[in-house]
Amino acid sequence: SAVISQKPSRDICQRGTSLTIQCQVDSQVTMMFWYRQQPGQSLTLIATANQGSEATYESGFVIDKFPISRPNLTFSTLTVSNMSPEDSSIYLCSVETLGTEAFFGQGTRLTVV
Amino acid sequence: GNSVTQMEGPVTLSEEAFLTINCTYTATGYPSLFWYVQYPGEGLQLLLKATKADDKGSNKGFEATYRKETTSFHLEKGSVQVSDSAVYFCALLPLSYNTDKLIFGTGTRLQVFP
Repeated sequence: SAVISQKPSRDICQRGTSLTIQCQVDSQVTMMFWYRQQPGQSLTLIATANQGSEATYESGFVIDKFPISRPNLTFSTLTVSNMSPEDSSIYLCSVETLGTEAFFGQGTRLTVV
Repeated sequence: GNSVTQMEGPVTLSEEAFLTINCTYTATGYPSLFWYVQYPGEGLQLLLKATKADDKGSNKGFEATYRKETTSFHLEKGSVQVSDSAVYFCALLPLSYNTDKLIFGTGTRLQVFP
C-alpha cells in the first residue's frame, strides 16, 4: 500500500493568484497523477506526473495553467496558475502501484474568490 | 474506447435496507475493476476490486462480482448503515496499466437515513 500526504487540505485564494499543492508518498512509486473534481462531479484526470521529464497532460489541460513538478519518485507538486472562480474544485493526487491499485490523497479543496 | 457507466443518484435508503448500485463498463480485453468510496470532505478510498472475470471483491459488507458476459460490476450490500452515506465511484483500469489510467464513472451518492 501507499500513504499519501497532500497539502494544503484547503485554501481560499484571490482570483489572479497561484496556488501550489504538494503530494508526498511514503514509498517510491512509478505512476503519479493529478485529478480535478469539480463540485458534484466525478474525477477528471489533469496529467500524469513524470519523474525527470515534463508531465503528460490530458486534453483540455495545459502546462501554463497547471505546471507540475516531479523531482523524485516520492514527491510531486501541482500549481494552479492565474486562478479564476471556475478553478474552484477539489484537487487530488493519486499513485498507482504494481498490482493494479490506485491510492489517493485526501484532496485539496480550493475556493477562488 | 474505455468507459464506465454508473446509475445516477442520489440513492436514498433507510438503515438496514438492501443496496444495489449498478455499474457497467466498456473495455477491450480484461480490465481490472474497482469501487472507490468518498466520504464527506475526504479523498477517495478503495472499497473493493476484482481483477478477472467471475472474481468477487468484498469489503465491509459490500460485494461486487466481475461479470464479463454482462460487462457489469454492480455494488451490493445486504444491510446499509447511516455511516455508509458517501459517494461511490466505479472505475476500471485497462489491461496495460502502465500506459493507461483509471477511468471513473460519474459517481453515485448514497444517503442512508435512520
